[in-house]
Amino acid sequence: AQSVTQPDIHITVSEGASLELRCNYSYGATPYLFWYVQSPGQGLQLLLKYFSGDTLVQGIKGFEAEFKRSQSSFNLRKPSVHWSDAAEYFCAVVPATDKLIFGTGTRLQVFP
Amino acid sequence: GAGVSQSPSNKVTEKGKDVELRCDPISGHTALYWYRQRLGQGLEFLIYFQGNSAPDKSGLPSDRFSAERTGESVSTLTIQRTQQEDSAVYLCASSSRLSGGGNTGELFFGEGSRLTVL
Repeated sequence: AQSVTQPDIHITVSEGASLELRCNYSYGATPYLFWYVQSPGQGLQLLLKYFSGDTLVQGIKGFEAEFKRSQSSFNLRKPSVHWSDAAEYFCAVVPATDKLIFGTGTRLQVFP
Repeated sequence: GAGVSQSPSNKVTEKGKDVELRCDPISGHTALYWYRQRLGQGLEFLIYFQGNSAPDKSGLPSDRFSAERTGESVSTLTIQRTQQEDSAVYLCASSSRLSGGGNTGELFFGEGSRLTVL
């Protein structure tokens, strides 16, 4: 079945540490790929997106993500996490021209 | 307006009552989505409108849920005979279309309507 998987439900890191949030999808063709962030008490915000071209994309707030076709993955990374990055992170895909489908989310907790 | 607008922002209702939630998308956005987010959980897809095409209703959890959209503007999500398990934040989002067709997928979300069923 077509799906988006975020294997990590909850991740805890120390402030200043590096971060990688995993996302895998199972679609026949390369979909459009996105990461959204939902901060406590705030709405959902787009961090970055991949449509085509360079497989390493840069987003807001110092985040980046790398599309790896061979692994059907689109992992989100940040070299140094800040306390304000604590939030829920959602990977999402648009397969072909269909609707947007979200993963189940990864909750990030940051310790000082 | 500049963003996606949802109303009411908060709704408390009694079990068995009907509720209507409204969404005003960004002007010009052809796609409109409704999602449900229960406390501490992810985004559950409900329904998707794209232009004048038939809506994708595959996410509606029961026949108590329905939604309408007038052209490419306002949408209303209706929940009939509400149950306590319907308590959640209902999020609306809209997106525009790529020049080559299909959605950009870059959704712009409203603040949500928090529904509490007593």
